[in-house]
Amino acid sequence: AQSVTQLGSHVSVSEGALVLLRCNYSSSVPPYLFWYVQYPNQGLQLLLKYTSAATLVKGINGFEAEFKKSETSFHLTKPSAHMSDAAEYFCAVSGAGGSYIPTFGRGTSLIVHP
Amino acid sequence: NAGVTQTPKFQVLKTGQSMTLQCAQDMNHNSMYWYRQDPGMGLRLIYYSASEGTTDKGEVPNGYNVSRLNKREFSLRLESAAPSQTSVYFCASKTSSYNEQFFGPGTRLTVL
Repeated sequence: AQSVTQLGSHVSVSEGALVLLRCNYSSSVPPYLFWYVQYPNQGLQLLLKYTSAATLVKGINGFEAEFKKSETSFHLTKPSAHMSDAAEYFCAVSGAGGSYIPTFGRGTSLIVHP
Repeated sequence: NAGVTQTPKFQVLKTGQSMTLQCAQDMNHNSMYWYRQDPGMGLRLIYYSASEGTTDKGEVPNGYNVSRLNKREFSLRLESAAPSQTSVYFCASKTSSYNEQFFGPGTRLTVL
């Protein structure tokens, strides 16, 4: 079984401030972990993924996430928010095998204030 | 390389009408998925197809049917639309190596 919890349905930051979006997961098998971003009126696109290589994963647009097995977490960070980062962010978990179906969190809406 | 395409982009139906949402991918992926997205609910899996010729129910299959026409195409049918099916529908395909999903742009459906 697998599940994802995203803490905070909305996160508000000022432009230039640190972005931290929280994701905790449970998985009965070694996981693959993903962050997706959804801009208004668009589909989801992959930001970054963890697939059991380096625990610190770098993605597009300056985002990164760290896999912490002991904390079952995969939090998303960006040192300095930009107005264009305003979007919905989804964390997802999957078993490490092609037969697993990813499970999504409920999403966190990132609001960036000027 | 178009990725995942969906038609139509928008649709308004009356209660009881039927329609089919079309999805196609050109990445040679075996697995394809249909999700619905509602405010505060995230993405909920309706149906999926692990490979050509197979389909399985997801979390919220009631009121829907699917067809995996070939490796490229996976359609979702609403036989008798209900207001509760007002939602945004996303189709996705998935790599078999690292389970990365690719999403279409979505279909915004309103049932009156």
